[in-house]
Amino acid sequence: EVQLVESGGGLVQPGGSLRLSCAASGFTFSDHAMNWVRQAPGKGLQWVSSLSGTADTTYYADSVKGRFTISRDNSKNTLHLQMNSLRAEDTAIYYCAKDLFYGGNSVVLDHWGQGTLVTVSS
Amino acid sequence: EIVLTQSPATLSLSPGERATLSCRASQSVSRYLAWYQQKPGQAPRLLIFDASNRATGIPARFSGSGSGTDFTLTISSLEPEDFAIYYCQQRSNWPWTFGQGTKVEIK
Repeated sequence: EVQLVESGGGLVQPGGSLRLSCAASGFTFSDHAMNWVRQAPGKGLQWVSSLSGTADTTYYADSVKGRFTISRDNSKNTLHLQMNSLRAEDTAIYYCAKDLFYGGNSVVLDHWGQGTLVTVSS
Repeated sequence: EIVLTQSPATLSLSPGERATLSCRASQSVSRYLAWYQQKPGQAPRLLIFDASNRATGIPARFSGSGSGTDFTLTISSLEPEDFAIYYCQQRSNWPWTFGQGTKVEIK
């Protein structure tokens, strides 16, 4: 059974940093691209970032480019999102999500974690 | 950026009725469109990918159709567990985008 478990969320001041993690199990982690998607309170879904299985291809939404860094450790089946220079508008539940297909970034998100809440406020 | 517009915003129906949800793209996404279901307090769940392919374990009452700019998610006969918010998402062009959602509520 595929499981994705996010951690690392919390309350941070504007301008601060957080590092989110997503522990994966139940599939061959290095075979699949992984993604972060966020959802502001009471709002819709916004794709944030994607990383290929071999970690050689990354994509970022314009709203986070230059501030967020996606990475993975295939030896530990873990995905990370380093978030710097956080803003109030980054407040959201952050979900990690697995790509359905092998290989490249298909962005068909077939399994999701339960999410971790990031609150940016003074 | 491709904008996905979902309609209606809210659909009020009774169990057993047919639900028809629309997603319109601001430019062609070919067939690279997916549908997700989200219930309160839960993560989204993949229902349909590439316009008409049901994901693993999704009941046959869910079906998707369309290509280019106009897509439809149909729930043939609503079950109590189907009342939720539904999002479409395109993977044709970066940045990948979601629609704003359609809420299917009990009438």
